Amino acid sequence: GAGVSQTPSNKVTEKGKYVELRCDPISGHTALYWYRQSLGQGPEFLIYFQGTGAADDSGLPNDRFFAVRPEGSVSTLKIQRTERGDSAVYLCASSSVGAAQGYEQYFGPGTRLTVT
Amino acid sequence: AQSVAQPEDQVNVAEGNPLTVKCTYSVSGNPYLFWYVQYPNRGLQFLLKYITGDNLVKGSYGFEAEFNKSQTSFHLKKPSALVSDSALYFCAVRDIRDSNYQLIWGAGTKLIIKP
Repeated sequence: GAGVSQTPSNKVTEKGKYVELRCDPISGHTALYWYRQSLGQGPEFLIYFQGTGAADDSGLPNDRFFAVRPEGSVSTLKIQRTERGDSAVYLCASSSVGAAQGYEQYFGPGTRLTVT
Repeated sequence: AQSVAQPEDQVNVAEGNPLTVKCTYSVSGNPYLFWYVQYPNRGLQFLLKYITGDNLVKGSYGFEAEFNKSQTSFHLKKPSALVSDSALYFCAVRDIRDSNYQLIWGAGTKLIIKP
Protein backbone atom coordinates (compact mmCIF):
# COMPACT_ATOMS: atom_id res chain seq x y z
CA GLY A 1 0.00 0.00 0.00
CA ALA A 2 1.02 3.60 -0.49
CA GLY A 3 2.80 5.42 2.28
CA VAL A 4 2.61 9.05 3.25
CA SER A 5 3.35 11.33 0.33
CA GLN A 6 4.38 14.97 0.37
CA THR A 7 4.59 17.52 -2.40
CA PRO A 8 6.62 19.28 -3.51
CA SER A 9 9.81 17.50 -2.50
CA ASN A 10 11.71 20.76 -2.75
CA LYS A 11 10.51 24.34 -2.67
CA VAL A 12 12.63 27.44 -3.09
CA THR A 13 10.91 30.74 -2.45
CA GLU A 14 11.83 34.33 -1.86
CA LYS A 15 11.53 36.01 1.50
CA GLY A 16 8.04 37.40 1.97
CA LYS A 17 6.29 34.98 -0.36
CA TYR A 18 3.48 32.57 0.48
CA VAL A 19 3.95 28.80 0.26
CA GLU A 20 1.74 25.75 0.56
CA LEU A 21 3.02 22.29 1.42
CA ARG A 22 0.82 19.26 0.83
CA CYS A 23 0.58 15.97 2.69
CA ASP A 24 -1.36 12.90 1.62
CA PRO A 25 -1.54 10.45 4.55
CA ILE A 26 -1.91 6.70 4.53
CA SER A 27 -5.47 5.79 3.60
CA GLY A 28 -7.63 5.31 6.67
CA HIS A 29 -5.28 7.07 9.08
CA THR A 30 -7.29 9.57 11.08
CA ALA A 31 -4.38 11.24 12.85
CA LEU A 32 -2.04 13.55 10.94
CA TYR A 33 0.97 15.47 12.20
CA TRP A 34 3.22 18.19 10.84
CA TYR A 35 6.79 18.60 12.01
CA ARG A 36 9.77 20.57 10.85
CA GLN A 37 13.32 19.40 11.08
CA SER A 38 16.50 21.40 10.88
CA LEU A 39 19.80 19.82 9.97
CA GLY A 40 21.14 17.57 12.71
CA GLN A 41 18.11 17.94 14.93
CA GLY A 42 15.07 15.92 15.85
CA PRO A 43 11.61 16.71 14.52
CA GLU A 44 9.92 19.77 16.01
CA PHE A 45 6.18 19.32 16.46
CA LEU A 46 3.97 21.85 14.71
CA ILE A 47 0.37 20.66 14.63
CA TYR A 48 -1.74 17.53 15.05
CA PHE A 49 -5.07 16.77 13.38
CA GLN A 50 -7.60 14.21 14.49
CA GLY A 51 -9.96 13.94 11.56
CA THR A 52 -10.71 17.38 10.20
CA GLY A 53 -9.98 19.35 13.35
CA ALA A 54 -6.69 20.60 14.69
CA ALA A 55 -6.51 18.86 18.05
CA ASP A 56 -3.23 20.50 19.00
CA ASP A 57 -1.64 23.46 17.21
CA SER A 58 0.61 24.45 20.09
CA GLY A 59 3.74 23.92 18.01
CA LEU A 60 2.99 26.48 15.33
CA PRO A 61 5.66 29.13 15.84
CA ASN A 62 3.50 32.17 15.02
CA ASP A 63 0.41 33.26 13.12
CA ARG A 64 2.21 33.11 9.77
CA PHE A 65 1.80 29.34 9.94
CA PHE A 66 -1.57 27.69 9.36
CA ALA A 67 -2.68 24.20 8.41
CA VAL A 68 -5.94 22.70 7.21
CA ARG A 69 -7.38 19.25 6.65
CA PRO A 70 -10.86 19.98 5.30
CA GLU A 71 -11.97 16.45 4.48
CA GLY A 72 -10.01 14.54 7.06
CA SER A 73 -7.48 13.21 4.59
CA VAL A 74 -5.09 15.51 2.67
CA SER A 75 -3.58 18.34 4.67
CA THR A 76 -1.97 21.59 3.59
CA LEU A 77 0.53 23.55 5.64
CA LYS A 78 0.48 27.22 4.70
CA ILE A 79 3.20 29.71 5.48
CA GLN A 80 2.64 33.42 4.87
CA ARG A 81 5.33 36.08 4.50
CA THR A 82 8.10 33.51 4.60
CA GLU A 83 11.32 34.30 6.42
CA ARG A 84 14.79 32.84 5.99
CA GLY A 85 14.41 31.20 9.39
CA ASP A 86 11.54 29.12 8.01
CA SER A 87 14.01 27.15 5.90
CA ALA A 88 13.86 23.52 7.03
CA VAL A 89 12.52 20.13 6.04
CA TYR A 90 8.81 19.92 6.75
CA LEU A 91 7.70 16.42 7.64
CA CYS A 92 4.22 15.00 7.66
CA ALA A 93 3.22 11.83 9.50
CA SER A 94 0.03 9.88 9.96
CA SER A 95 -1.10 7.21 12.37
CA SER A 96 -3.98 4.87 12.91
CA VAL A 97 -5.86 5.51 16.09
CA GLY A 98 -6.16 2.13 17.70
CA ALA A 99 -4.80 0.50 20.83
CA ALA A 100 -3.35 -2.43 18.92
CA GLN A 101 -1.27 -0.15 16.75
CA GLY A 102 0.18 1.68 19.71
CA TYR A 103 0.06 4.95 17.83
CA GLU A 104 3.32 4.75 15.87
CA GLN A 105 3.56 7.43 13.24
CA TYR A 106 4.48 6.85 9.62
CA PHE A 107 6.39 9.65 7.96
CA GLY A 108 6.51 11.04 4.48
CA PRO A 109 9.78 11.93 2.72
CA GLY A 110 9.46 15.59 3.63
CA THR A 111 9.45 18.89 1.76
CA ARG A 112 12.70 20.82 1.83
CA LEU A 113 11.81 24.51 2.02
CA THR A 114 14.48 27.07 1.26
CA VAL A 115 13.71 30.74 1.71
CA THR A 116 16.18 33.02 -0.07
CA ALA B 1 8.34 17.93 32.02
CA GLN B 2 8.61 15.18 29.49
CA SER B 3 11.97 14.71 27.82
CA VAL B 4 14.17 12.33 25.90
CA ALA B 5 17.96 12.22 26.03
CA GLN B 6 20.27 10.61 23.53
CA PRO B 7 23.60 11.21 25.23
CA GLU B 8 25.79 10.36 22.25
CA ASP B 9 25.84 12.59 19.18
CA GLN B 10 27.72 9.89 17.28
CA VAL B 11 28.47 6.21 17.71
CA ASN B 12 31.19 4.45 15.72
CA VAL B 13 31.15 0.66 15.38
CA ALA B 14 33.11 -1.77 13.24
CA GLU B 15 31.06 -3.93 10.90
CA GLY B 16 30.14 -7.23 12.51
CA ASN B 17 30.41 -5.89 16.06
CA PRO B 18 27.42 -5.39 18.34
CA LEU B 19 26.02 -1.88 18.52
CA THR B 20 24.12 0.08 21.18
CA VAL B 21 22.48 3.47 20.78
CA LYS B 22 21.41 4.91 24.12
CA CYS B 23 18.15 6.59 25.06
CA THR B 24 16.80 7.71 28.42
CA TYR B 25 13.47 9.36 29.02
CA SER B 26 11.42 11.25 31.56
CA VAL B 27 7.61 11.19 31.64
CA SER B 28 5.08 11.65 34.42
CA GLY B 29 3.26 8.40 33.81
CA ASN B 30 4.04 5.20 31.95
CA PRO B 31 5.71 5.57 28.55
CA TYR B 32 5.19 4.47 25.03
CA LEU B 33 8.68 4.34 23.50
CA PHE B 34 9.74 4.37 19.87
CA TRP B 35 12.85 4.19 17.73
CA TYR B 36 13.03 5.67 14.26
CA VAL B 37 15.83 5.67 11.68
CA GLN B 38 16.55 8.35 9.10
CA TYR B 39 18.72 7.70 6.09
CA PRO B 40 20.27 10.68 4.24
CA ASN B 41 17.65 12.77 2.43
CA ARG B 42 14.91 10.40 3.49
CA GLY B 43 11.99 10.58 5.88
CA LEU B 44 11.89 8.90 9.25
CA GLN B 45 11.23 5.16 9.27
CA PHE B 46 9.64 3.38 12.20
CA LEU B 47 11.91 0.66 13.67
CA LEU B 48 10.23 -0.61 16.81
CA LYS B 49 8.17 0.33 19.81
CA TYR B 50 7.52 -0.59 23.42
CA ILE B 51 3.92 -0.42 24.55
CA THR B 52 3.55 -3.07 27.21
CA GLY B 53 4.60 -6.63 27.95
CA ASP B 54 8.03 -8.11 27.30
CA ASN B 55 10.80 -5.61 28.02
CA LEU B 56 12.81 -6.81 25.03
CA VAL B 57 11.26 -5.60 21.81
CA LYS B 58 12.30 -6.80 18.37
CA GLY B 59 11.93 -4.64 15.31
CA SER B 60 12.91 -4.15 11.70
CA TYR B 61 16.35 -4.91 10.18
CA GLY B 62 17.43 -7.08 13.13
CA PHE B 63 17.24 -4.28 15.68
CA GLU B 64 15.96 -4.74 19.20
CA ALA B 65 15.55 -2.52 22.23
CA GLU B 66 15.27 -3.18 25.92
CA PHE B 67 12.90 -1.23 28.13
CA ASN B 68 14.30 -0.70 31.62
CA LYS B 69 11.78 1.01 33.85
CA SER B 70 14.08 1.47 36.85
CA GLN B 71 16.73 3.15 34.72
CA THR B 72 14.16 4.90 32.49
CA SER B 73 16.08 3.71 29.46
CA PHE B 74 15.25 2.24 26.08
CA HIS B 75 18.57 1.45 24.40
CA LEU B 76 18.63 0.28 20.80
CA LYS B 77 20.79 -2.75 20.04
CA LYS B 78 21.87 -5.01 17.23
CA PRO B 79 24.09 -8.09 17.64
CA SER B 80 26.06 -7.61 14.43
CA ALA B 81 26.29 -4.24 12.69
CA LEU B 82 26.12 -3.77 8.94
CA VAL B 83 27.59 -0.87 6.97
CA SER B 84 24.06 -0.23 5.71
CA ASP B 85 22.96 0.49 9.29
CA SER B 86 24.81 3.80 9.10
CA ALA B 87 22.13 6.46 9.60
CA LEU B 88 20.61 8.87 12.09
CA TYR B 89 18.61 7.26 14.89
CA PHE B 90 15.90 8.97 16.93
CA CYS B 91 14.29 7.87 20.15
CA ALA B 92 10.82 9.20 21.00
CA VAL B 93 8.46 8.87 23.96
CA ARG B 94 4.82 9.51 24.68
CA ASP B 95 3.12 9.49 28.06
CA ILE B 96 0.29 6.94 27.78
CA ARG B 97 -2.00 9.39 29.56
CA ASP B 98 -1.41 11.95 26.83
CA SER B 99 -4.54 12.03 24.69
CA ASN B 100 -3.15 14.03 21.80
CA TYR B 101 -0.58 11.43 20.75
CA GLN B 102 2.27 13.97 20.61
CA LEU B 103 5.72 12.40 20.63
CA ILE B 104 8.69 13.89 22.46
CA TRP B 105 11.83 13.40 20.39
CA GLY B 106 15.49 13.01 21.20
CA ALA B 107 18.09 15.01 19.29
CA GLY B 108 19.29 11.96 17.38
CA THR B 109 22.43 9.83 17.31
CA LYS B 110 24.49 9.41 14.18
CA LEU B 111 25.54 5.79 13.79
CA ILE B 112 28.60 5.10 11.65
CA ILE B 113 29.46 1.51 10.80
CA LYS B 114 32.96 1.11 9.40
CA PRO B 115 33.87 -1.79 7.11
